[in-house]
Amino acid sequence: NAGVTQTPKFQVLKTGQSMTLQCAQDMNHNSMYWYRQDPGMGLRLIYYSASEGTTDKGEVPNGYNVSRLNKREFSLRLESAAPSQTSVYFCASRSGTSVNNEQFFGPGTRLTVL
Amino acid sequence: AQSVTQPDIHITVSEGASLELRCNYSYGATPYLFWYVQSPGQGLQLLLKYFSGDTLVQGIKGFEAEFKRSQSSFNLRKPSVHWSDAAEYFCAWGGGADGLTFGKGTHLIIQP
Repeated sequence: NAGVTQTPKFQVLKTGQSMTLQCAQDMNHNSMYWYRQDPGMGLRLIYYSASEGTTDKGEVPNGYNVSRLNKREFSLRLESAAPSQTSVYFCASRSGTSVNNEQFFGPGTRLTVL
Repeated sequence: AQSVTQPDIHITVSEGASLELRCNYSYGATPYLFWYVQSPGQGLQLLLKYFSGDTLVQGIKGFEAEFKRSQSSFNLRKPSVHWSDAAEYFCAWGGGADGLTFGKGTHLIIQP
């Protein structure tokens, strides 16, 4: 099993450009998440999808959209990138069958917006 | 809203010495608590978790953590650190489908 995979690993954008970060998991998990990590801030939840067909806002959703394409895939879109969105983005998934299931994280995407 | 506090931004420990990383949470109900480790340039790996029962939980890589409700704490410990333990450590709160609340992390430096 590959676990949680993310593409791309690195990306540089200019202000105003758009892009989509891809995430896929092969563990048949129900729930998927997008976090951003900034220095000194820990990880903050952007959006999550508790199950296929549902998405909900997290702590910092502004400037982002998400799509739960199917049970495996959960993408994050930046419609008009801003320098404040320079960050490392992590996707995670969770089985959801029990309250004590852990989240499994992907390797991250390092995004720089100039 | 629930919050997780890691009071120490950086900690330096000599190799072979013991380690304790502090974590405090603010939430009244039974907490679901986690410790994750992040090596440089990597994703997060779960070290251990607490949901109920025995307040001393064992994790991977020789780590353990103790849940103390009276102090709202969930401190991570290791009796003897190795150079490979140098990493960023995150305490997190959460359970169910709606994501985790993370502390800001503690950067662990190991001195030879």
